[in-house]
Amino acid sequence: AQSVTQPDIHITVSEGASLELRCNYSYGATPYLFWYVQSPGQGLQLLLKYFSGDTLVQGIKGFEAEFKRSQSSFNLRKPSVHWSDAAEYFCAVGAPGAQKLVFGQGTRLTINP
Amino acid sequence: DSGVTQTPKHLITATGQRVTLRCSPRSGDLSVYWYQQSLDQGLQFLIQYYNGEERAKGNILERFSAQQFPDLHSELNLSSLELGDSALYFCASRGTSGANVLTFGAGSRLTVL
Repeated sequence: AQSVTQPDIHITVSEGASLELRCNYSYGATPYLFWYVQSPGQGLQLLLKYFSGDTLVQGIKGFEAEFKRSQSSFNLRKPSVHWSDAAEYFCAVGAPGAQKLVFGQGTRLTINP
Repeated sequence: DSGVTQTPKHLITATGQRVTLRCSPRSGDLSVYWYQQSLDQGLQFLIQYYNGEERAKGNILERFSAQQFPDLHSELNLSSLELGDSALYFCASRGTSGANVLTFGAGSRLTVL
């Protein structure tokens, strides 16, 4: 069965600084990988996804993520964060052909002005 | 607006009671998923329906049940409620070509007193 680990429960960065959120997955083959963002009081919004091909994927709001098979990782990055990026970020894994997504515990991002 | 509609947004009830949460998927989406988000368990997959039929089951308690109707809306029924059932319940839908891409509603926050 697939699983996801987000090692950082809470991260604080300054506005304008770069950001990297870590995600490690466990799955026997190449999974489908996702990053979702949840703003306070909101549902989850898809930031980006990886199915196959180019291991660097671009998403909305200036985010990107890189799939590294050797490290079983799919880290999320942004070169310069904005105050509006403060939210909870979830990494998720899905097995091709399976019905559900398995989510990590989430990383809460706080932005210092 | 994601196109997935959940009602009610907030619900406060007492232990032992029964509640029904409702979800309308995005237009054209046949699959509906239910997830529970709590502080200690994170995002847990409960159950999935596809065009009226149950397709996958996760960590759903026997006190909980769901169904998907011919018009594709879904209801999650929670009975004999306990304090620990207090959580945010999300519905998500998936299109036929969505390859595991889930679109989430804003959630229903259940508080059991």
